[in-house]
Amino acid sequence: EAGVAQSPRYKIIEKRQSVAFWCNPISGHATLYWYQQILGQGPKLLIQFQNNGVVDDSQLPKDRFSAERLKGVDSTLKIQPAKLEDSAVYLCASSLDGRRGNTGELFFGEGSRLTVL
Amino acid sequence: GDSVTQMEGPVTLSEEAFLTINCTYTATGYPSLFWYVQYPGEGLQLLLKATKADDKGSNKGFEATYRKETTSFHLEKGSVQVSDSAVYFCALYFRGGTLGRLYFGRGTQLTVWP
Repeated sequence: EAGVAQSPRYKIIEKRQSVAFWCNPISGHATLYWYQQILGQGPKLLIQFQNNGVVDDSQLPKDRFSAERLKGVDSTLKIQPAKLEDSAVYLCASSLDGRRGNTGELFFGEGSRLTVL
Repeated sequence: GDSVTQMEGPVTLSEEAFLTINCTYTATGYPSLFWYVQYPGEGLQLLLKATKADDKGSNKGFEATYRKETTSFHLEKGSVQVSDSAVYFCALYFRGGTLGRLYFGRGTQLTVWP
């Protein structure tokens, strides 16, 4: 079974530029998550999708971050414009239906490391 | 709100030493508890879990017991190996209605020397 795929693995940009990250979850997983992991900290949830709908974006900085999952499969996270403090690893994860039967077992991709200069 | 407090690292041990990484949590209700591990250059992966009080999760020689009375889920291994070198994250999953959220601790870096 293929795992969660993310790209790019690494990205270096200057502040005020834009960047986009892509994620393809495990086939059949209805729930998709984007986490931000700043160096020395645990992952922090940015947004959670159930199929193609957003169920939790309370911690997403909506003035600069956006995410979509138009067809309920793969997803894109965009940052525009980037700030220095956005330097982090952006993790995508997926799980079975979040509405029932999901006890918190998430499957993570390898992450996309962003450096903002 | 719900949160996880994890022992700060880094932790450095010799091979075959005993490992304990402390984790305590704050939550209303009855969360599920997890340890995730991140090996160098890889994504986070589930190491073990416990879904109710007094449950013991175990995997790859690691164990953790869900202690409701002390709100703890400490990770232990009797004899660590060099290959156990990684970052370990304690996590709490709480479901409110139909929505569940996974909260992570800060992570503990473990280095095992031969």
